[in-house]
Amino acid sequence: AQSVTQLGSHVSVSEGALVLLRCNYSSSVPPYLFWYVQYPNQGLQLLLKYTTGATLVKGINGFEAEFKKSETSFHLTKPSAHMSDAAEYFCAVTPGGGTSYGKLTFGQGTILTVHP
Amino acid sequence: KAGVTQTPRYLIKTRGQQVTLSCSPISGHRSVSWYQQTPGQGLQFLFEYFSETQRNKGNFPGRFSGRQFSNSRSEMNVSTLELGDSALYLCASSLTSGGAPYNEQFFGPGTRLTVL
Repeated sequence: AQSVTQLGSHVSVSEGALVLLRCNYSSSVPPYLFWYVQYPNQGLQLLLKYTTGATLVKGINGFEAEFKKSETSFHLTKPSAHMSDAAEYFCAVTPGGGTSYGKLTFGQGTILTVHP
Repeated sequence: KAGVTQTPRYLIKTRGQQVTLSCSPISGHRSVSWYQQTPGQGLQFLFEYFSETQRNKGNFPGRFSGRQFSNSRSEMNVSTLELGDSALYLCASSLTSGGAPYNEQFFGPGTRLTVL
């Protein structure tokens, strides 16, 4: 079984500051991990994913995340926040190897607020 | 290439009624997954269809059902609506699901269902 915990339901940063959104996962098999972003009244957009290979993953809009197996973490970072980054962010997991057809397990989400 | 489309975008129903939501995947995608998003429970997986077959199912009552047509379009139906069924229903499509390499899920904008 898989589960995801996102630490902090709300994170507030100033424009230009570091963004750090925390995600810890539990998985009985090697996981595939994802970060999605959701803007108001929209669906989810994939920011980045880890499946295999390099553990530091770069995504769209300057975001990156590092898969740390020993810490069961997949934290999302961005060096400098922009006003347009304000949204809700979701971490998700699925069993590696594609054994769970279509099923992503999501964390509860973190709302990111960016102050001018 | 057009994205995932969902119709209708907004729907208001009363308790006891039934509702059908529609999802048209990206052209060429054969897998469609459905999710329910509520403030209390977050994003939860409903079911996944591939080539007209349900291959995976989440932990929802039998009032929630779905189907997929030969053109990969999918519908989900909720019978005997309850107040707690008020939610954003998201569908996601991918080329396939299962196996490797992993095929990304692309999400539609969702259908906002309100049950009165």
